[in-house]
Amino acid sequence: GENVEQHPSTLSVQEGDSAVIKCTYSDSASNYFPWYKQELGKGPQLIIDIRSNVGEKKDQRIAVTLNKTAKHFSLHITETQPEDSAVYFCAAKVDGGGATNKLIFGTGTLLAVQP
Amino acid sequence: DAGVTQSPTHLIKTRGQQVTLRCSPISGHKSVSWYQQVLGQGPQFIFQYYEKEERGRGNFPDRFSARQFPNYSSELNVNALLLGDSALYLCASSRGLSNSPLHFGNGTRLTVT
Repeated sequence: GENVEQHPSTLSVQEGDSAVIKCTYSDSASNYFPWYKQELGKGPQLIIDIRSNVGEKKDQRIAVTLNKTAKHFSLHITETQPEDSAVYFCAAKVDGGGATNKLIFGTGTLLAVQP
Repeated sequence: DAGVTQSPTHLIKTRGQQVTLRCSPISGHKSVSWYQQVLGQGPQFIFQYYEKEERGRGNFPDRFSARQFPNYSSELNVNALLLGDSALYLCASSRGLSNSPLHFGNGTRLTVT
């Protein structure tokens, strides 16, 4: 089955710096890759997603890149702010038989933005 | 519009008891999925329901069951609770079955003692 690995597990940056979180997946049939931000006491919030027919997607300070050949995708946050501090999860959806929305999640990255 | 709502927010149960968790999806969303999130880990898929039918099941024992109602709300039931069932249970809704983004609620924190 699909397996998603996420690195690093913790990341500390200074306010204004960039942050990069990387994920790799195992199943080449995966075709959808969302990123979620989870703040303490809350559920995961979808912040950006990318489909396998696209190599890069941007939304203001957030961007995601996908390398299908290497089976890895990354989240890039520029000009980080203290409110970006949270746990970030990557996920992958396999386009197998029996259509579902089942996501396989990485283990999370705790991002701390120091003011 | 309201997001995904879950109740209760917190719950404490004893080993061997049964629990029912409830979820209301975003208006217009027909699919509800349930995930279990153990502290320090990513969410793990339990079930997906679409149009009141089970459309996917994760690697969880038969003690876990769910259903979806005509108004698309859903319940997750867990029987014969074990200490290891302590976790945050997340409900997510999506507009369609397979090509729609998942939107999560804030979860129910279940503690089994």
